[in-house]
Amino acid sequence: KNEVEQSPQNLTAQEGEFITINCSYSVGISALHWLQQHPGGGIVSLFMLSSGKKKHGRLIATINIQEKHSSLHITASHPRDSAVYICAVSRGGADGLTFGKGTHLIIQP
Amino acid sequence: SQTIHQWPATLVQPVGSPLSLECTVEGTSNPNLYWYRQAAGRGLQLLFYSVGIGQISSEVPQNLSASRPQDRQFILSSKKLLLSDSGFYLCAWSVDRGTDTQYFGPGTRLTVL
Repeated sequence: KNEVEQSPQNLTAQEGEFITINCSYSVGISALHWLQQHPGGGIVSLFMLSSGKKKHGRLIATINIQEKHSSLHITASHPRDSAVYICAVSRGGADGLTFGKGTHLIIQP
Repeated sequence: SQTIHQWPATLVQPVGSPLSLECTVEGTSNPNLYWYRQAAGRGLQLLFYSVGIGQISSEVPQNLSASRPQDRQFILSSKKLLLSDSGFYLCAWSVDRGTDTQYFGPGTRLTVL
């Protein structure tokens, strides 16, 4: 079993829909990261959080430490949001990130 | 501002040939540096990390090695490439270990034939 599980693996939605991507982890962590990877391969860090909720524009990330679960929400989705969204964790006492397999999101106009 | 560079952007190499990928960071001192690989159809995997010059830790036994000859330079090498070394290699840096945002380079796409 992977230490970081994401769902769904693939998601296609219409422009304007509310999007939710889920991430569960099975190890102790110091922080959880949400990353965005565009078709060219470049990766951008969207959020890093260890508790509660963070918001940036139309993106919202939440984490429940007790349940070992995080969600990434996109409000008023737009075709430019199409990308692979990756959940990753920083493990307590370890260096580097452990990644989920990513969610391939397509927003259709 | 900080910038991270990787080169080359793409590389096609025959099996058994050597490899050298370079990563440099500008605008920060004593960064933590990381090499990750994304193989086709698989998620990202940590290969090496470094907290200082000459200090390298390996996460996964493999055909690759890493070196950090200067504070802001991180090099990924292989003496003899395998087909399974094909993938997308990403360098990243952070300020603090564990609880800090990581900043990724543009990546190198390696194809071993």
